[in-house]
Amino acid sequence: DTEVTQTPKHLVMGMTNKKSLKCEQHMGHRAMYWYKQKAKKPPELMFVYSYEKLSINESVPSRFSPECPNSSLLNLHLHALQPEDSALYLCASSQVLEYGNQPQHFGDGTRLSIL
Amino acid sequence: SQQGEEDPQALSIQEGENATMNCSYKTSINNLQWYRQNSGRGLVHLILIRSNEREKHSGRLRVTLDTSKKSSSLLITASRAADTASYFCATRPQAGTALIFGKGTTLSVSS
Repeated sequence: DTEVTQTPKHLVMGMTNKKSLKCEQHMGHRAMYWYKQKAKKPPELMFVYSYEKLSINESVPSRFSPECPNSSLLNLHLHALQPEDSALYLCASSQVLEYGNQPQHFGDGTRLSIL
Repeated sequence: SQQGEEDPQALSIQEGENATMNCSYKTSINNLQWYRQNSGRGLVHLILIRSNEREKHSGRLRVTLDTSKKSSSLLITASRAADTASYFCATRPQAGTALIFGKGTTLSVSS
């Protein structure tokens, strides 16, 4: 069992739909991350939140909108996605962003398919 | 952006054999980490080695770091079928930045 919980595990949506991915951790971590991973590729960083504030945005298209309502929750709102956005979306957390010598804890991801 | 390059891309061995994966990176780092990803699952942290360390052990895992060559290796001894997974190195260029993952090595261990 992972300590970072992501829901849903699978999501199929049309290009005009609006949906949200959710991520939750109760380890008291103050840094949370969204990654996108295509098959047989490494995770690609999308966003980083530090103390509930957006700290890093890796030039992600505006059809992806992150939100951090509190220190335990991270959402990724999806709207008007393209077929190439189909991927595994991973959430991760770490104690704080500023201290470099920490591991990141990952959820098992949401497998997203865009029709 | 990607910083690390793993070598080999794929590795197939028999149970009981040792598996060695290498990682090269481009910029100076604060630390280097290795992660495992089983099929359809998230990444699991295996081991972290700091830039001022040269070698680290954890159970059947041995990691080395050569900052002069900007490279690291992960050795898994006495491999098991359960070690079948993708292995990624990840670097953190400096505190306050996020991890950058390498392309990964896919390890297959057959019994």
